[in-house]
Amino acid sequence: AAGVIQSPRHLIKEKRETATLKCYPIPRHDTVYWYQQGPGQDPQFLISFYEKMQSDKGSIPDRFSAQQFSDYHSELNMSSLELGDSALYFCASSWTSFGEQYFGPGTRLTVT
Amino acid sequence: AQTVTQSQPEMSVQEAETVTLSCTYDTSENNYYLFWYKQPPSRQMILVIRQEAYKQQNATENRFSVNFQKAAKSFSLKISDSQLGDTAMYFCAFMKHRSGNQFYFGTGTSLTVIP
Repeated sequence: AAGVIQSPRHLIKEKRETATLKCYPIPRHDTVYWYQQGPGQDPQFLISFYEKMQSDKGSIPDRFSAQQFSDYHSELNMSSLELGDSALYFCASSWTSFGEQYFGPGTRLTVT
Repeated sequence: AQTVTQSQPEMSVQEAETVTLSCTYDTSENNYYLFWYKQPPSRQMILVIRQEAYKQQNATENRFSVNFQKAAKSFSLKISDSQLGDTAMYFCAFMKHRSGNQFYFGTGTSLTVIP
């Protein structure tokens, strides 16, 4: 069965650079979520989109923005990167009627 | 605001034995979902089991079952016949019954299955 696809899987950036993370949800899933997981921490919710509209917002810094496109894929744009942005970024998707979120493999971002 | 508490940072169990991971939550919602996710060393987040709050029957998935006590706001995970592959971080998660809603995760329990 198709799973959530995230690209790239690994990304190394320098401070103050910009990064773009991509997420391709499971086919027919209409909702996408973004989470940030620091070392030894639980995933922290950043933002979600339902039918291409922002539906919920968590602890997403102003330096970050995201959107969901007409084909339901989503991109997380991160600017002015800081060392503290180094983390594993998960994308998850769901079909609203069922609730559970299916997670992608994550993108490991390292800021040097 | 919703909070999820996992009071056991680390646990261990002998292979083939049974272990129970605890989770409590706080919410004013009446309709919601609860989940257990497993995160092995690969860091992949894998759904283990889900429970709808309106269902009184406890969810079961093969060796995994939950004890859902809505009044007590408790949602524990029981793993029977523990296997080495069960070694992972386990996260309890809460979600309001509304589309596009976020998960609220607990801080996780690191489970080690000892051969």
